[in-house]
Amino acid sequence: EAQVTQNPRYLITVTGKKLTVTCSQNMNHEYMSWYRQDPGLGLRQIYYSMNVEVTDKGDVPEGYKVSRKEKRNFPLILESPSPNQTSLYFCASSFRQPFQETQYFGPGTRLLVL
Amino acid sequence: GQQVMQIPQYQHVQEGEDFTTYCNSSTTLSNIQWYKQRPGGHPVFLIQLVKSGEVKKQKRLTFQFGEAKKNSSLHITATQTTDVGTYFCVGISDRGSTLGRLYFGRGTQLTVWP
Repeated sequence: EAQVTQNPRYLITVTGKKLTVTCSQNMNHEYMSWYRQDPGLGLRQIYYSMNVEVTDKGDVPEGYKVSRKEKRNFPLILESPSPNQTSLYFCASSFRQPFQETQYFGPGTRLLVL
Repeated sequence: GQQVMQIPQYQHVQEGEDFTTYCNSSTTLSNIQWYKQRPGGHPVFLIQLVKSGEVKKQKRLTFQFGEAKKNSSLHITATQTTDVGTYFCVGISDRGSTLGRLYFGRGTQLTVWP
């Protein structure tokens, strides 16, 4: 089944404790992206990747890191989480840059930073 | 900077009534996509509009792209309780320096009373 998976789905952590949220897709998509969703603000792009070893900042990259060593995986790293990073995070992928392509979203990761 | 404004933010209707949400961009878009997100779920692609003045229909849903490619609308005829969720648009820039950049509307949260 074609899908985007994220782990963990729910996470409670404390300020400053490094964490990684994994994202994997099995559709051989080139483009992958991370978003955060906050009430009243909609989806905001954190980082995106056009292909392996190519990553770029989105609208809200501060406090986040990403890597794209393999085509299927695009982990999101919070080196020192802070309470303002409490949010719902979505990973998404598309075959190429989403000029003409639909994006497939993962199920989401709900993060609470205390 | 370029942005996509979406209105209304909330809409409450009785089952059987119609519903419309609007997206307006400050600049011309290459194309626009619409997504639906059920409560507690992840965004799911509905449709993409590419051509100026394009109109597409999916059963009770009608999507329009303005002649100037700066605005779009989603209209649902005779809403059902299964239509509940947040509908949001994603505008894709056609400008040289921001080609391919994604601009998310903040979404319209639809509630349908039985």
